[in-house]
Amino acid sequence: EPEVTQTPSHQVTQMGQEVILRCVPISNHLYFYWYRQILGQKVEFLVSFYNNEISEKSEIFDDQFSVERPDGSNFTLKIRSTKLEDSAMYFCASRGQSEGEQYFGPGTRLTVT
Amino acid sequence: AQKVTQAQTEISVVEKEDVTLDCVYETRDTTYYLFWYKQPPSGELVFLIRRNSFDEQNEISGRYSWNFQKSTSSFNFTITASQVVDSAVYFCALSESGNYGGSQGNLIFGKGTKLSVKP
Repeated sequence: EPEVTQTPSHQVTQMGQEVILRCVPISNHLYFYWYRQILGQKVEFLVSFYNNEISEKSEIFDDQFSVERPDGSNFTLKIRSTKLEDSAMYFCASRGQSEGEQYFGPGTRLTVT
Repeated sequence: AQKVTQAQTEISVVEKEDVTLDCVYETRDTTYYLFWYKQPPSGELVFLIRRNSFDEQNEISGRYSWNFQKSTSSFNFTITASQVVDSAVYFCALSESGNYGGSQGNLIFGKGTKLSVKP
């Protein structure tokens, strides 16, 4: 069964460093998302991406964040200068149809020290 | 105001008990979708069900059942004869169509209900 994959599973970085989280969505899907979950809290929407551009972003998704689909298979989330409060689990999700369910990847746990 | 409210933070039951997880949502859209996801201790998000706003028929899948009531804006989830493997955090989520300026397609999650099933 097709699945969303994410790498790495765990990333440790120092405050101020740039990180890139990678996702490979399900191959025929058209809509892509990033969510984050601070430990013990709810899952929060960051950004959605469709037709090679951002379709919606939340207040969390400030200038420090960017997304890219560089090669038609990968979907990346970059955090330019990480802060301690960026420590969270980051989930990638993809969806095929405009009304279909979102399939989530296993997540990348980001720890900023 | 929260768009998805899961008032139960934690529930603890003994195996074989039935348990209902509550979800109340808020939206002005006439077309929307409701979801339940399970997050086991391993951390991944597992899709359980999607329901659109025009389909109020209750659904049963094995030990799981869902009760969607538009009149009370609720989408409750019942596990019958709970098992230890059901222990997880369960999230209810809403996806709006954006007709009234709401979000389009992204999921708005509740805070989750942590279910502990003891043997």
